[in-house]
Amino acid sequence: QVQLQESGPGLVKPSGTLSLTCVVSGGSISSSNWWSWVRQSPGKGLEWIAEIHHSGSINRNPSLKSRVTISVDKSKNQFSLTLSSVTAADTAVYYCARLTTTMVLGDWGQGTLVIVSS
Amino acid sequence: DTQMTQSPSTLSASVGDRVTITCRASQSISSYLAWYQQKPGKAPKLLIYKASSLQSGVPSRFSGSGSGTEFTLTISSLQPDDFATYYCQQYNRYRTFGQGTKVEIK
Repeated sequence: QVQLQESGPGLVKPSGTLSLTCVVSGGSISSSNWWSWVRQSPGKGLEWIAEIHHSGSINRNPSLKSRVTISVDKSKNQFSLTLSSVTAADTAVYYCARLTTTMVLGDWGQGTLVIVSS
Repeated sequence: DTQMTQSPSTLSASVGDRVTITCRASQSISSYLAWYQQKPGKAPKLLIYKASSLQSGVPSRFSGSGSGTEFTLTISSLQPDDFATYYCQQYNRYRTFGQGTKVEIK
């Protein structure tokens, strides 16, 4: 069973850049799966951010596209998210997840809370 | 953007009740609809995909139906472990979640 673990700073200053990493264990990030980021805030519920395939194919939420970078590091079996120009509205629990072969969010990390505040 | 609207927002029910949650899409999404269960402090858990396919390991009391723009999640006999928040999510184009339905104890 694949396991995912998010890590990154829990506090980011407004206008700064949020950077998170998801380490994958129990499976290879170079498998046929896609890998995704989802966030959850009290005000906006669950929001899909972006997803990536190890081949380099990427899909991004159009509402966040200009601020989102997603990447894969095969050597470390992990993938990462950066979100630039953050505001308080980006405060949320951020989850990484693996898509199943049927392209739904099948395995999730435990989530990491990121607060945007000075 | 495809908007997803769930109803009701909150549902009060008792153990053994049959429970139905509705999810409507702002445009047709074919059968590209998933349902998730989330408990406080935990990540969502996949229950149903492709509108009606039960994820492996999920109890058969959970079922999904619908296509196009209207979908339902049914719990045939509510169990104590089922009190949680349920989300629908379309994956026809990008991914959008509904706002959630909290199933609470009556």
